[in-house]
Amino acid sequence: EAGVAQSPRYKIIEKRQSVAFWCNPISGHATLYWYQQILGQGPKLLIQFQNNGVVDDSQLPKDRFSAERLKGVDSTLKIQPAKLEDSAVYLCASRAPGLENEQFFGPGTRLTVL
Amino acid sequence: GQQVMQIPQYQHVQEGEDFTTYCNSSTTLSNIQWYKQRPGGHPVFLIQLVKSGEVKKQKRLTFQFGEAKKNSSLHITATQTTDVGTYFCAGRGYGQNFVFGPGTRLSVLP
Repeated sequence: EAGVAQSPRYKIIEKRQSVAFWCNPISGHATLYWYQQILGQGPKLLIQFQNNGVVDDSQLPKDRFSAERLKGVDSTLKIQPAKLEDSAVYLCASRAPGLENEQFFGPGTRLTVL
Repeated sequence: GQQVMQIPQYQHVQEGEDFTTYCNSSTTLSNIQWYKQRPGGHPVFLIQLVKSGEVKKQKRLTFQFGEAKKNSSLHITATQTTDVGTYFCAGRGYGQNFVFGPGTRLSVLP
């Protein structure tokens, strides 16, 4: 089966600019996550979707970050405006129905903010 | 909030030596998962532990879940160069999402 797809793979922007990331999860996976992974750290959950509804966005910096999954399939994560500390890899993961199932991660988007 | 810690942060071993990484949670967990991330790659699921005191093996890898369900360990016997990467535990508190630890970066010298 096809894995989780993400684009772009790399993005370089200047601070205060906007950027958007796209994720297409594995077919049939109702749960979708966005993580931020700063170099040398573990992934930090930003937001979790169940179909097209938000389940957990408690750690999403809502003043600058937004995410949507309008049709319950693919998702976009946006940062506006970007700050230097947003430099990180943004990982998308999806999970099949059932609380015990593993998360499948995409290759990530490496964001550099100058 | 829930915190997940891992030690050591780094481990350098000679090929053939054993390796162990430890994961500790500030709260009791419903289950715990382990992931491996190769350099430049993304996390890949290894295993999930659910029961208190559970032990699972995958070839040279042995995973344990503590009796109190607050700690876990991953042990690799006779490391190989293919074991290089960062090993993350991710603990889920009851009614909460998974929280990833900071990871243990393993280097294996041939």
